[in-house]
Amino acid sequence: NAGVTQTPKFQVLKTGQSMTLQCAQDMNHNSMYWYRQDPGMGLRLIYYSASEGTTDKGEVPNGYNVSRLNKREFSLRLESAAPSQTSVYFCASSERIAGATDTQYFGPGTRLTVL
Amino acid sequence: AQSVTQPDIHITVSEGASLELRCNYSYGATPYLFWYVQSPGQGLQLLLKYFSGDTLVQGIKGFEAEFKRSQSSFNLRKPSVHWSDAAEYFCALRQNSGYSTLTFGKGTMLLVSP
Repeated sequence: NAGVTQTPKFQVLKTGQSMTLQCAQDMNHNSMYWYRQDPGMGLRLIYYSASEGTTDKGEVPNGYNVSRLNKREFSLRLESAAPSQTSVYFCASSERIAGATDTQYFGPGTRLTVL
Repeated sequence: AQSVTQPDIHITVSEGASLELRCNYSYGATPYLFWYVQSPGQGLQLLLKYFSGDTLVQGIKGFEAEFKRSQSSFNLRKPSVHWSDAAEYFCALRQNSGYSTLTFGKGTMLLVSP
């Protein structure tokens, strides 16, 4: 039982390049999330998927797209990377977003640098 | 709008001393509250959570937190800190009804001195 896994662990991009961050969970969770973490800012929600087939914007969605490929996988795409997107990206999952006792579990993160 | 404030950006504690990390929230009702810990270069690990009931919550690694409605606080405590506790700690909140995601504080970095 690996929990939440993310690939790659590290990535360096040039401005304007595109890439996709991958996330998978093996806990049979319905809901999945993408956050970014910047120094002094805590974690901010980019997008989330309450259930397979649905996605919604979070606090900072601009410059990103997401795909809920199936129940296990939730990818984050940067179409044209900018230096402001240099950050650490975390994927998380939870049993169900509207659950009374819902808890999120986090992956190890992807460290992205955009030059 | 809901918010979480962690007033201390950094805290230094001597090994073996007690620890209290502060967390205050703003929300119109009783929220669900969480503490996560992030070791350097790692993801976030859940320490403990409060949903309802007993206001003193026990977590992993010897941590506990107390929910105080009158003070809108959910402070994290540990009676004796170990060097391995050095990490960044995040308090988070979610609404207690409907469709809700987590709102995080900005974190408190704990340094442990010998």
